[in-house]
Amino acid sequence: GAGVSQTPSNKVTEKGKYVELRCDPISGHTALYWYRQSLGQGPEFLIYFQGTGAADDSGLPNDRFFAVRPEGSVSTLKIQRTERGDSAVYLCASSPNANTGELFFGEGSRLTVL
Amino acid sequence: GESVGLHLPTLSVQEGDNSIINCAYSNSASDYFIWYKQESGKGPQFIIDIRSNMDKRQGQRVTVLLNKTVKHLSLQIAATQPGDSAVYFCAENPSGGATNKLIFGTGTLLAVQP
Repeated sequence: GAGVSQTPSNKVTEKGKYVELRCDPISGHTALYWYRQSLGQGPEFLIYFQGTGAADDSGLPNDRFFAVRPEGSVSTLKIQRTERGDSAVYLCASSPNANTGELFFGEGSRLTVL
Repeated sequence: GESVGLHLPTLSVQEGDNSIINCAYSNSASDYFIWYKQESGKGPQFIIDIRSNMDKRQGQRVTVLLNKTVKHLSLQIAATQPGDSAVYFCAENPSGGATNKLIFGTGTLLAVQP
């Protein structure tokens, strides 16, 4: 499709498990962002990539969270030793470059940690 | 810390009426603001943006007003339609558009009554 694609759309896991969330940005977009949205809240910034490198990872809550974008396109958000507080919708967005102003969001991956 | 927030969590309007959604921001250094619309189960969708060198910007049926003196932002929707029902977020870009690292407010739910 033409939009940002995120998989899985829903993930239920048990506390302590490892999860990976995938984002496929719009073709040609060099900037990719991960946000986290808790119920009833606005999205919170986690990390953004310009190309393959993480330009700003200041929003990652702790070292259990890690993200990669090895070829400058698809990105994977990795969460180790999941906790119940990690339950949220993880949103990915892309933009043609880092400063165009408009982000194109995917529909998100809903993570539930039991 | 710096934050962006909304005055009204829920706004109910009649179809055809005009809607006004308000937002207060606290980071006086921010010079770029964006409104997003989020429908249930979907990612946020860009509506309109404004830079701090402007007081007003118009789009199709939407107008954003910026009052830097009182750090207030509003989104006006003309002739509100049922399809406008969604949660609306204002977002602040402290980098002035250098990146798309956004700080989102809590959101206002707009409910359009037929």
